[in-house]
Amino acid sequence: EPEVTQTPSHQVTQMGQEVILRCVPISNHLYFYWYRQILGQKVEFLVSFYNNEISEKSEIFDDQFSVERPDGSNFTLKIRSTKLEDSAMYFCASSELDTEAFFGQGTRLTVV
Amino acid sequence: AQSVTQLGSHVSVSEGALVLLRCNYSSSVPPYLFWYVQYPNQGLQLLLKYTTGATLVKGINGFEAEFKKSETSFHLTKPSAHMSDAAEYFCAVRNTGGFKTIFGAGTRLFVKA
Repeated sequence: EPEVTQTPSHQVTQMGQEVILRCVPISNHLYFYWYRQILGQKVEFLVSFYNNEISEKSEIFDDQFSVERPDGSNFTLKIRSTKLEDSAMYFCASSELDTEAFFGQGTRLTVV
Repeated sequence: AQSVTQLGSHVSVSEGALVLLRCNYSSSVPPYLFWYVQYPNQGLQLLLKYTTGATLVKGINGFEAEFKKSETSFHLTKPSAHMSDAAEYFCAVRNTGGFKTIFGAGTRLFVKA
């Protein structure tokens, strides 16, 4: 069964450093998403991406964040100048048009 | 604006008992509704979804949910709980034609032997 793959599963970084979280969406999906889940809290929408551009973003997704689809298979989330409060589980998801999102297993980001 | 309210952050049932997890939503347009399950240290797995048509939808692992427009509810049920059902359950909503899925705060289900 096709699945969304995220790497790494766990990333530890020092405050102020840049991190790139990587995702391989399901191959025939056209819509890509990033979500965040701070420990013990709800899953929060960050951004959606379609046709090589951001289609929607939340207020969380400020200039510190960026997304990119560098090639035909990968979808990345870059977090610049990480802060302690960026520590969270980050989920990538993908979908076809107007269907449910399929989620990856997540990357646990720990900022120290 | 869309929103999802899950009543009860924790629900505890005995093995074999009925599971009922409550979800109410707010949406200005006909919504798509979902239930996702999250096992410890894992991702989100789709349990079931409502898009159009039949309001009672069946999902995996014996779960089902009923869309009640008049009550703006989408409660999740399972007739008989199993120990393996212990997990976090998230109700979610998305507008038809929209991009983002909005999640509720989640309900942690405990199953007692």
